[in-house]
Amino acid sequence: GENVEQHPSTLSVQEGDSAVIKCTYSDSASNYFPWYKQELGKRPQLIIDIRSNVGEKKDQRIAVTLNKTAKHFSLHITETQPEDSAVYFCAASTDSWGKLQFGAGTQVVVTP
Amino acid sequence: GAVVSQHPSWVICKSGTSVKIECRSLDFQATTMFWYRQFPKQSLMLMATSNEGSKATYEQGVEKDKFLINHASLTLSTLTVTSAHPEDSSFYICSARPIAGGGELFFGEGSRLTVL
Repeated sequence: GENVEQHPSTLSVQEGDSAVIKCTYSDSASNYFPWYKQELGKRPQLIIDIRSNVGEKKDQRIAVTLNKTAKHFSLHITETQPEDSAVYFCAASTDSWGKLQFGAGTQVVVTP
Repeated sequence: GAVVSQHPSWVICKSGTSVKIECRSLDFQATTMFWYRQFPKQSLMLMATSNEGSKATYEQGVEKDKFLINHASLTLSTLTVTSAHPEDSSFYICSARPIAGGGELFFGEGSRLTVL
């Protein structure tokens, strides 16, 4: 089955700097890659997703890149703010309707 | 966005008892719902896929007789932890996809189970 690895496990950045989280996946059939943000004690919320027919997608300060050949995808947060502090999970699926395999998560701390 | 509600949000029970957790899609219908388990500071582990009108599909290593799943309607799935033991204490989260949608998965708020 699919195996998703996520790095780093923790990431501390100064407010205003950029944060990058990287994930790799094992199943070459995977074609849907969402990213979720989970604040302490709350439910995960989708922040951005990408499908395998594109290499990059951007939504304001958040962007995701996908390298199908290398089987890795990354989340980029620019101009970080304290409210960006949370745990971020990457995930992969063989289609947008299938079950998701999650990465281990990255605890992001943005210090003022 | 679509809303998924879980109940109860937290429950404390004695060892040996059974606990039922409900997952409801409030403003959409879902033929498939997913149940996850999340330990503190860890990722979401998929336990099973709940299919409306048919048997759930369990992930490897998840005991189907221990974690009973019922998806009786297009808006409700239930997870019953039978004969609960302290090691079953965890955060259980469900998710669902609207039938009419782009595939986005919406999560419930989670249910924290503590077994004494």
